[in-house]
Amino acid sequence: DAGITQSPRHKVTETGTPVTLRCHQTENHRYMYWYRQDPGHGLRLIHYSYGVKDTDKGEVSDGYSVSRSKTEDFLLTLESATSSQTSVYFCAIRSGGSRNEQFFGPGTRLTVL
Amino acid sequence: TQLLEQSPQFLSIQEGENLTVYCNSSSVFSSLQWYRQEPGEGPVLLVTVVTGGEVKKLKRLTFQFGDARKDSSLHITAAQPGDTGLYLCAESTGGSGNTGKLIFGQGTTLQVKP
Repeated sequence: DAGITQSPRHKVTETGTPVTLRCHQTENHRYMYWYRQDPGHGLRLIHYSYGVKDTDKGEVSDGYSVSRSKTEDFLLTLESATSSQTSVYFCAIRSGGSRNEQFFGPGTRLTVL
Repeated sequence: TQLLEQSPQFLSIQEGENLTVYCNSSSVFSSLQWYRQEPGEGPVLLVTVVTGGEVKKLKRLTFQFGDARKDSSLHITAAQPGDTGLYLCAESTGGSGNTGKLIFGQGTTLQVKP
């Protein structure tokens, strides 16, 4: 158990509304990641963080922003949700060492109507 | 752009059969991970391979890393219904300023029928 929680676990919202998803870790890991998972696409990286206030874009970052004001929390924000952002969102942390092993939270299922 | 291709995408077999899932990349890996995911949960790390030609075993699962570090396979012997799930491979290219970013394959959905 890597001590990762995500909230909320499920959310239904309407197009055009802002949405924030939270990832919380208890083990002080430096690197944190946000992915989305869609059928036929595996997991795709949205944004990642390599420390407090240090973030960078992944391969599908358009329409998303992130913030990390403290080590344990990494927030993903959809400024104006669209139906194409309906997906399951996973947060992950990277364990120490050079193997780049990542451990995932339980996910948030987001539906944008 | 790195591409990681998994095959097959779907596999439905009877309990007791053997199967192999393949993962192929357009570039050389620094490391490769295999994950298993059950419905409603996050992926769970099964194994990491880093050395060309490396073979790792986890009970009835055998993971192999190609000599050229561009491909990997997962072989399950005598599959059981509990093996049902989505299997994902993910590669890391490492390198300078290693950010730990992973590229995931599309996944293989395995169904093992009793």
